[in-house]
Amino acid sequence: EVRLLDSGGGLVQPGGSLRLSCAASGFNFVDYAMVWVRQAPGQGLEWVSTETGSDAYTFYTDSVKGRFTISRDYSKNTLYLQMNSLRVDDTAIYYCAKARGLLLEGWHFDSWGQGTLVTVSS
Amino acid sequence: SVLTQPPSVSAAPGQRVTISCTGSNSNIGADSGVHWYRQLPGTPPKLLIFDNNHRPSGIPDRFSGSKSGTSASLTITGLLADDEADYYCQSYDSSLTAWVFGGGTKVTVL
Repeated sequence: EVRLLDSGGGLVQPGGSLRLSCAASGFNFVDYAMVWVRQAPGQGLEWVSTETGSDAYTFYTDSVKGRFTISRDYSKNTLYLQMNSLRVDDTAIYYCAKARGLLLEGWHFDSWGQGTLVTVSS
Repeated sequence: SVLTQPPSVSAAPGQRVTISCTGSNSNIGADSGVHWYRQLPGTPPKLLIFDNNHRPSGIPDRFSGSKSGTSASLTITGLLADDEADYYCQSYDSSLTAWVFGGGTKVTVL
């Protein structure tokens, strides 16, 4: 059974940093791209970042480029999102998800973590 | 949102609802697959339909998807009270180099 366990959220002041973690189990972690998706309070889903797996390409939505870094530790089967220079509008529940599909253009997200809440406020 | 969905739809139990998802030639119209998720309050999204019209194992055939041109749709037949949730479409946009979601549609069972 695929399991994704998100953690690392919390309250941080504007300009601060947080590192989110997503512990994965139940599948071959190296074989799958992984993503972070966020959901601001009362709002819809927003893709944040993708890490493609063994070839290690990374992609980011424009609003987080230069501030967020996605990475993974294969020895720990864990995905990370390092978030720096946090802004109030980064406040959201952050979900990690496992991507699936033959081609990048067709990737969809078939398993999700439970989410971790990041609140950016002074 | 890059993909446009109606904010809400409603129907009585047992009836059918269809949710539209309108994109452009850089996403749905560019042959990127369309995928659908359901999100119950306080829970993560769950994949309902992938690659336009395929259901993951365990998803009942009351849920179906279709795509034509720059639009896609999700149809739920035999509506149940448990189908009250938010539904999101998702695709890939080649111009943005980004995976994109619709704004979400709230389904209300009357």
